[in-house]
Amino acid sequence: QVQLQESGPGLVKPSQTLSLTCSVSGGSVSDNDYYWSWIRQPPGKGLVWVGYIFHSGVAYYNPSLKSRVDISVDTSKDHLSLRLSSVTAADTAVYYCARITVLESSGFFFPNYFESWGQGTLVTVSS
Amino acid sequence: SSELTQPPSVSVSPGQTASITCSGDYLGQKFASWYQQKSGRPPVLVMYEDDQRPSGVPERFSGSSSGDTVTLTISGTQPLDEADYYCQAWDNITGGVFGGGTKLTVL
Repeated sequence: QVQLQESGPGLVKPSQTLSLTCSVSGGSVSDNDYYWSWIRQPPGKGLVWVGYIFHSGVAYYNPSLKSRVDISVDTSKDHLSLRLSSVTAADTAVYYCARITVLESSGFFFPNYFESWGQGTLVTVSS
Repeated sequence: SSELTQPPSVSVSPGQTASITCSGDYLGQKFASWYQQKSGRPPVLVMYEDDQRPSGVPERFSGSSSGDTVTLTISGTQPLDEADYYCQAWDNITGGVFGGGTKLTVL
C-alpha cells in the first residue's frame, strides 16, 4: 500500500516561493504505471488540480498556475517537489500530493484517476 | 468548456437512495472519477472510469454515464456516507478538472 506524506513550511510570506515535498513509501516514483500529482484546496472551497509529473521529468500544469509552478521528481529519494513562486493570499490552501494511474489507449498514455492521496499540508500565505 | 457542474447539495434520508450528478461538455468522451471527502480528511476514491468501484468501497456505491452526465448513486445511504463528493475528469486543454463538489447530507 503506497503512502504519501507532504512536508514543508506552513507559513510563507507574500511574493515569496512556496516549496513542498511529498515523500513516497511502499511504492516508487519510477514506476511506469503512475503519474504523480499535486492538488490544492483553499479553506472551505473545492479541489484544484495543480499539475502532474512522470518519472522522466515531463510535467503538465494547470494553465492558470503554469507561469508560477514547477514540479520535479527525485527518483533516488522517491519524492516529488512543488515550487510555487510569487505567492499571494489566494495561494493559501491545503496542498495534497497524489498518485495517478496511467491509462493506455491506442499506444498513447494518459492520466486516469487519483488512486492514493497524502494527508495534505496547510500552507498559509501571510506577512 | 472545461467546467464540471455538480449540485451544491443533496439531502437524503437514511436508507434512501442518493444521486449526485456531474455534467460537462466532454464527459461523453472521457472517463470520470468520484472522490469522497469527509471533514478535515483527504479525498478518497470511490468510483473510477465512470462505473468501476475500487476494492474496499461498499457495494451501495455505483456509477453510471449517459451523454455528458455522470452520476454517482448511493443506495441505502448511511449516516457515515455524509461527506463532500467531487467528480473529476481530464480535459485536453486545461488538464485535470474537478467539479465544484456536492455536500451530501443524510438526515
